Amino acid sequence: EAGVTQFPSHSVIEKGQTVTLRCDPISGHDNLYWYRRVMGKEIKFLLHFVKESKQDESGMPNNRFLAERTGGTYSTLKVQPAELEDSGVYFCASSHHLAGETQYFGPGTRLLVL
Amino acid sequence: RKEVEQDPGPFNVPEGATVAFNCTYSNSASQSFFWYRQDCRKEPKLLMSVYSSGNEDGRFTAQLNRASQYISLLIRDSKLSDSATYLCAVNFGNEKLTFGTGTRLTIIP
Repeated sequence: EAGVTQFPSHSVIEKGQTVTLRCDPISGHDNLYWYRRVMGKEIKFLLHFVKESKQDESGMPNNRFLAERTGGTYSTLKVQPAELEDSGVYFCASSHHLAGETQYFGPGTRLLVL
Repeated sequence: RKEVEQDPGPFNVPEGATVAFNCTYSNSASQSFFWYRQDCRKEPKLLMSVYSSGNEDGRFTAQLNRASQYISLLIRDSKLSDSATYLCAVNFGNEKLTFGTGTRLTIIP
C-alpha cells in the first residue's frame, strides 16, 4: 500500500511569492491533516479535512494560508503571500474514517522563505 | 504550561542499555496516545499506540497512567538503530494530534 506522498519535497521562495504544497493521502483515507514544524518548535496542527469538508481549521496561522481538498482526494495548501516566518516543514497525514485512528505522515515539504 | 511536555534530552545511552522516556499531558479528557519515532529530516513514523493496559512490541513497552497524566516508553536492549527523536502525541478528542517537542536519543557503541 502506497503511503502519504507530498510534493514538492523542498521549496525555496522569496518573501511575497506564492507557494502551493500538495498532499496525496493513503487511498481510502477520509481524514487528511496538515501540520507544520517550525525550527526548534514542536509539530503543530494546522487543519483537518474529512473528505472534502474542513472539519477543523483552528490551527491555520492567518488568512494567507488556504487549504483545499476538492473531490475529497488530494489536498493543496497555498501560502500567499509568503512571509519569512512561514519557513518550516509542512507535514500531511491521513487516517481512516474512524475516530482515534492512527495518523500516517508524509515525508513533508521543507519550505524556506528568503 | 504546554499541553504535552517531554524532556528534550539528549539522552546518550550505551548500546544494550535500557532507556525510558516520560511524557506528561495536561488534559484529563485525552482520548488516545501515541509514540512516534522521527529520524533526522524524515517524517514521524508511528512506533506504538498506547493503551490503558499497557502494551509491548518486542523491545518496546508503552504505558499509560491516567491518574498522573503521563505516558512512558521503555526501550530494552537498545540498538544503534534506535537512535532517533521520539515524539509523544496526544489526541484530546478533537481528532488532531498535539505533539511534544520530542526526546532525542543517541545510542553509543
